[in-house]
Amino acid sequence: DTTVKQNPRYKLARVGKPVNLICSQTMNHDTMYWYQKKPNQAPKLLLFYYDKILNREADTFEKFQSSRPNNSFCSLYIGSAGLEYSAMYLCASSRGGNQDTQYFGPGTRLLVL
Amino acid sequence: GEQVEQLPSILRVQEGSSASINCTYENSASNYFPWYKQEPGENPKLIIDIRSNMERKQTQGLIVLLDKKAKRFSLHITDTQPGDSAMYFCAARTGGYKVVFGSGTRLLVSP
Repeated sequence: DTTVKQNPRYKLARVGKPVNLICSQTMNHDTMYWYQKKPNQAPKLLLFYYDKILNREADTFEKFQSSRPNNSFCSLYIGSAGLEYSAMYLCASSRGGNQDTQYFGPGTRLLVL
Repeated sequence: GEQVEQLPSILRVQEGSSASINCTYENSASNYFPWYKQEPGENPKLIIDIRSNMERKQTQGLIVLLDKKAKRFSLHITDTQPGDSAMYFCAARTGGYKVVFGSGTRLLVSP
């Protein structure tokens, strides 16, 4: 099973409110990623976990949090959503090492009003 | 730099003709170049990839070329079909576990 699952598929949030997105995979992959994708733009890496180690991109460091309670699950947390957070959020996983293929989930479309 | 530029953003072709998408990257240490296809409402799926020890790879009507000197790689779809209509993303692994994506090409194959 090469499925990466994401919940919810659609999320409506109010400005200033927190948002928590969930991703799961059962492939025992070492690495899990979160990307933000806006229309007509490339998917932008926000952060990734290699095993239990979190790596956050410098320009999004303060905007997004994440946790990985076990190998299968990874969350993306926005403490206070702003209008600019409206986007598709894609989760992906890979085995790591030389196994570079990333498997993507279906995404969560977040709309902040 | 870690940017990946992808062109064109929209590509319209007739069924049966070939389609080419071009990407350039900045980091000369990049060593892995995947291509993803995303159909409407679906997640991006890997269709072909190439590593830096190769210049050409071909599978099932897809050809990828890599020119490390020019820091350029390309996807060529031969004998396009309406089912090839989708969004295509190139990407480059810039080191460690990070993969940087291009902005995507919308391919439209008309019958």
